[in-house]
Amino acid sequence: QVQLVESGGGVVQPGRSLRLSCAASGFTFSAYGMHWVRQAPGKGLEWVAVMWYDGSEKYYAESVRGRFTISRDNSKNTLYLQMNSLRAEDTAVYYCATVRVGPITGGAFDMWGQGTMVTVSS
Amino acid sequence: SYVLTQPPSVSVAPGETARIPCGGNYIGSKSVHWYQQKPGQAPVLVIYYDNDRPSGIPERFSGSTSGNTATLTISRVEAGDEADYYCQVWDSDTDHRGVFGGGTKLTVL
Repeated sequence: QVQLVESGGGVVQPGRSLRLSCAASGFTFSAYGMHWVRQAPGKGLEWVAVMWYDGSEKYYAESVRGRFTISRDNSKNTLYLQMNSLRAEDTAVYYCATVRVGPITGGAFDMWGQGTMVTVSS
Repeated sequence: SYVLTQPPSVSVAPGETARIPCGGNYIGSKSVHWYQQKPGQAPVLVIYYDNDRPSGIPERFSGSTSGNTATLTISRVEAGDEADYYCQVWDSDTDHRGVFGGGTKLTVL
């Protein structure tokens, strides 16, 4: 079964850190670039970050650059998002997603996880 | 930075045609993707590369682009089509950044 399963969300105080995971199964994880996309409560979708299939390149949204780090372990079929210096505005559901047709940053997100909720609050 | 503009809401009666616009500078020169999101669920791809449909998406869904506007068209709208719809492009001129429109709530009257 082809799927992405996120975990690691929760409630965290402003300024603290949290690491999200995304476990992939049913497809060749190491062949595809992986993305994080987030959605604040009642708001629209926001692209967060991308990592190339081999980890050679990574890019971030301006809103998280310098605070968030995307990484992956292809031996574990897992994508990560290390979130540091968290702010209230980082409160959102975080989805991992992949582009399996077309360029890593050109194609469409054709597979999504179910999301994990991160709440930044004191 | 590149901006995509969508109307907050579109309403249509069952059986009619819904058209959801997505505006952006020279969007006709970019590949546009569309997603459907129902409450509490992850987004689902409904149109990719302007007008291609993933397997399992009804032929009632189609896309087009012209000038500065891309449009998602849903023909013979059904109650089950009620959802939020997002357009998306890549702003590869600046660090391979993904860009989503603000989303449009489709209400089936």
